[in-house]
Amino acid sequence: GAGVSQTPSNKVTEKGKYVELRCDPISGHTALYWYRQSLGQGPEFLIYFQGTGAADDSGLPNDRFFAVRPEGSVSTLKIQRTERGDSAVYLCASSLTGQNNEQFFGPGTRLTVL
Amino acid sequence: GENVEQHPSTLSVQEGDSAVIKCTYSDSASNYFPWYKQELGKRPQLIIDIRSNVGEKKDQRIAVTLNKTAKHFSLHITETQPEDSAVYFCAASRVGAQKLVFGQGTRLTINP
Repeated sequence: GAGVSQTPSNKVTEKGKYVELRCDPISGHTALYWYRQSLGQGPEFLIYFQGTGAADDSGLPNDRFFAVRPEGSVSTLKIQRTERGDSAVYLCASSLTGQNNEQFFGPGTRLTVL
Repeated sequence: GENVEQHPSTLSVQEGDSAVIKCTYSDSASNYFPWYKQELGKRPQLIIDIRSNVGEKKDQRIAVTLNKTAKHFSLHITETQPEDSAVYFCAASRVGAQKLVFGQGTRLTINP
């Protein structure tokens, strides 16, 4: 079956602009995660959804970052007033449930803020 | 919160030799420890995981060991092959918290 997909694969924007990154999890997976990976680093947790609700948003760096999952499937990560420091690969992952099941990662969206 | 340290940051071994990557974690409540392999420009892929009720787990040429007392776990790859070259990440997750906390990664190079 299809794995986790993310769009766009690359996004270049200017400082101060608004961006939306989309994640399509594996069908039937109730848990969805967003991570951010800077060059040469491990993925860093941002937010976790169980169904439609954000169960843990402790990793969001500030209030410019927001994520939604209105129907419990597709999720959108939204970044307002982008800064150069937001440049990274944004990874989405999903798992069957949230109980320490394997997390399957998407290919990521490479965000570049000029 | 949880902190995961991973060593070494780079590792180069001859084809056919073994490779060992080590991680330590800080939160004694962590109970799930996966290892991911990430090839250049690709997504992280799970290669093996271990839970806190198990001390060792093997899958063909890959094994993971866990020492809960010392709070460290290790990845062992035997009979290394060129296709094992990649960046490997360890991670930890605590009971009740589904997020993974990752180590900094180890770039493994297998020399033919």
